[in-house]
Amino acid sequence: GENVEQHPSTLSVQEGDSAVIKCTYSDSASNYFPWYKQELGKRPQLIIDIRSNVGEKKDQRIAVTLNKTAKHFSLHITETQPEDSAVYFCAASTYSGYSTLTFGKGTMLLVSP
Amino acid sequence: DSGVTQTPKHLITATGQRVTLRCSPRSGDLSVYWYQQSLDQGLQFLIQYYNGEERAKGNILERFSAQQFPDLHSELNLSSLELGDSALYFCASSAALGQGGEQYFGPGTRLTVT
Repeated sequence: GENVEQHPSTLSVQEGDSAVIKCTYSDSASNYFPWYKQELGKRPQLIIDIRSNVGEKKDQRIAVTLNKTAKHFSLHITETQPEDSAVYFCAASTYSGYSTLTFGKGTMLLVSP
Repeated sequence: DSGVTQTPKHLITATGQRVTLRCSPRSGDLSVYWYQQSLDQGLQFLIQYYNGEERAKGNILERFSAQQFPDLHSELNLSSLELGDSALYFCASSAALGQGGEQYFGPGTRLTVT
């Protein structure tokens, strides 16, 4: 089955800095890669996703890049703000008659004012 | 608010007991997924239902079972509970069965087994 590795497990930055979280996946058939943000005690919220036919996608201060050859994808957050502090999860999805998500173990991002 | 609802929000029970968690998907979504989130294991996929039928199984224990009803709400049944079953249980829903369907999570049920 699919295996998703996520690094780093924790990331501390100063407000205004950029943050990068990286994930690798094992199944070359995976074709959908969402990112979720989870604040303490809250639900995971979908913040951005990318499909295998696209190399990069941006939405305001966040962007995701995908390298299918190397089987890795990354989340980039620019101009970080304290409200960006949360746990971020990457995931990969493989379609084989049905679609399930395999999640990375998460990155705790702390943005200090 | 994702449109996915879960009840109850919190549940405290004793070892050996049985509980039922309930999930209502977003309006129009046919797929329901259940996840377990514990501190050291991240988000673990348990099971998926689509329009009343089981479609995929993940790391679900034999003591756990689920079903999806004709009105599309789903229930996750956990029996012979152990201390290690204490966790946050999320359900998620999506419109699509297949490729790359975005999943939207409910607020979760926090289960504490004492």
